[in-house]
Amino acid sequence: NAGVTQTPKFQVLKTGQSMTLQCAQDMNHEYMSWYRQDPGMGLRLIHYSVGAGITDQGEVPNGYNVSRSTTEDFPLRLLSAAPSQTSVYFCASSYSGAVDTQYFGPGTRLTVL
Amino acid sequence: GQQVMQIPQYQHVQEGEDFTTYCNSSTTLSNIQWYKQRPGGHPVFLIQLVKSGEVKKQKRLTFQFGEAKKNSSLHITATQTTDVGTYFCAVRDNQGGKLIFGQGTELSVKP
Repeated sequence: NAGVTQTPKFQVLKTGQSMTLQCAQDMNHEYMSWYRQDPGMGLRLIHYSVGAGITDQGEVPNGYNVSRSTTEDFPLRLLSAAPSQTSVYFCASSYSGAVDTQYFGPGTRLTVL
Repeated sequence: GQQVMQIPQYQHVQEGEDFTTYCNSSTTLSNIQWYKQRPGGHPVFLIQLVKSGEVKKQKRLTFQFGEAKKNSSLHITATQTTDVGTYFCAVRDNQGGKLIFGQGTELSVKP
């Protein structure tokens, strides 16, 4: 199993550009989530999904969209990038929910100029 | 929504010294998880505590869940340079199914 994969590893955007961060898992996990990590702020939840077709907002959802059309994939879309979205983004998945072990991807380091 | 406070934010120790990080909540928790993130890496699950007063050990790491299930601690005995990283606690939000992380404690160990 590849586990949780994220692409790209690094990305530089200009303010106003849009892009999609990809996340995929091959463990047949129902629960997937996106976090951003900033110095001194820990991991903050952006969006999460408890299964295909179901998504919900986390702590910091503004400026981001998600969809979950399949069990395996959970892409994160930045609609119009802003410098405040410069961060490291982690995708995570677990078998059935928040009480299960979360498996994290390697992260995407995003810089918005 | 659920919030959990984690202290301290940073801890610098000499190799061989002990280390403790604490997570505190104003509300009763159903469970708490602990993760470790090495520098440049991603968070990796360490353990989950569920029962009131629960104590679990993993080699030099001791995890405790408070009797009131409102706080938890991670204690490392005789730190080693391999313990360097950031330790996070995580709790399930009591208003839904999402997992919320504490701010983390960054541990540095001087050889």
